[in-house]
Amino acid sequence: ETGVTQSPTHLIKTRGQQVTLRCSSQSGHNTVSWYQQALGQGPQFIFQYYREEENGRGNFPPRFSGLQFPNYSSELNVNALELDDSALYLCASRTGGMNTGELFFGEGSRLTVL
Amino acid sequence: DQQVKQNSPSLSVQEGRISILNCDYTNSMFDYFLWYKKYPAEGPTFLISISSIKDKNEDGRFTVFLNKSAKHLSLHIVPSQPGDSAVYFCAASPPRIDSGGGADGLTFGKGTHLIIQP
Repeated sequence: ETGVTQSPTHLIKTRGQQVTLRCSSQSGHNTVSWYQQALGQGPQFIFQYYREEENGRGNFPPRFSGLQFPNYSSELNVNALELDDSALYLCASRTGGMNTGELFFGEGSRLTVL
Repeated sequence: DQQVKQNSPSLSVQEGRISILNCDYTNSMFDYFLWYKKYPAEGPTFLISISSIKDKNEDGRFTVFLNKSAKHLSLHIVPSQPGDSAVYFCAASPPRIDSGGGADGLTFGKGTHLIIQP
């Protein structure tokens, strides 16, 4: 059974640029959610995708957007990067049918915005 | 406005003793609670959960207690082992909906860094 994998593991961008982060969900999981973990903070919910549609969103601006593909993999896109976007971005997957419950996390993509 | 609070950023416990990690929440709509463990350079790993209809859930060395009236939960680890050294996150979820749709995500605390000393 393959776990949640994310890429890239680390990247550096400058203010105003755009970034795409990728996630492959755990085998058998059809629901993917993304979290932002700033330094010294707990993970914060960005959004969730279920059957290729966004079905839940946290308090993040529209420049944070995503996609889910038919194979349940997912992308997180962030436009017009700001310094405060520097964080660890975590992808998590689970099976659908429940609101939340146990999530299986990847190792994260660490984004630094200069 | 933090809805889930872990007021101890760090906790040091001797190997073999009990570790008690605490968590408070403010949103009375939360009805499912989870603990995650995180090692450096790894994603959080699910540890144990509890539904609001229970006041205790046990899994091996790990026990979670829930006091709904006080909006407080705690994680007990007995006995503590060196491999338990990690950051522990408390997380809360609104009611589970068996519809496959509608998600508010988990709300996490800031975490407690547990250090088990030999």
